[in-house]
Amino acid sequence: DGGITQSPKYLFRKEGQNVTLSCEQNLNHDAMYWYRQDPGQGLRLIYYSQIVNDFQKGDIAEGYSVSREKKESFPLTVTSAQKNPTAFYLCASSIGVQGGTEAFFGQGTRLTVV
Amino acid sequence: AQSVTQPDIHITVSEGASLELRCNYSYGATPYLFWYVQSPGQGLQLLLKYFSGDTLVQGIKGFEAEFKRSQSSFNLRKPSVHWSDAAEYFCAVVSYSSASKIIFGSGTRLSIRP
Repeated sequence: DGGITQSPKYLFRKEGQNVTLSCEQNLNHDAMYWYRQDPGQGLRLIYYSQIVNDFQKGDIAEGYSVSREKKESFPLTVTSAQKNPTAFYLCASSIGVQGGTEAFFGQGTRLTVV
Repeated sequence: AQSVTQPDIHITVSEGASLELRCNYSYGATPYLFWYVQSPGQGLQLLLKYFSGDTLVQGIKGFEAEFKRSQSSFNLRKPSVHWSDAAEYFCAVVSYSSASKIIFGSGTRLSIRP
């Protein structure tokens, strides 16, 4: 089955640690996205990538980093510089720069700072 | 800048009653518009999309939406809601100025009264 897989589903981080959230897709999509979701604030774009080895900052990129070394993978690292990382993180993909196509979402990773 | 506004944070509707969720967008050209639904702790599922042509689009689960250019709106409707429709609903638009960047509204939480 084609789709987007995020792992882990739940993640706990200690203060000062970096953690990496995994996102893999087998839809052969060019574009991939990371969103952060907090109650009452909808989805805010962290980073997006339209092609391998290229990515752009979204609206709330500070404290996060990404890489796009392979078409199917777009991992997100939450660094210690992110002061309030507890949130629900969603990865998505779409066909790409042609636009007009919907995004497909993973099931999300809930990150909690302990 | 492009934006999407969902003015209703929370709506409660009786089971069997009709539903309309509002969405307004700010965009210079003809947008590509989407409605997504999210169950608690899950990813987003596409309900329907508008690209061009007929301004009334049909989606899954009995939902429909109407694109009204003059009002910059893309409201979601359902003639008779079911208890299983309780979820959060997001309107989204593709921004061509940022090459496939997807912008989401803040969401409307739908509760169903038995």
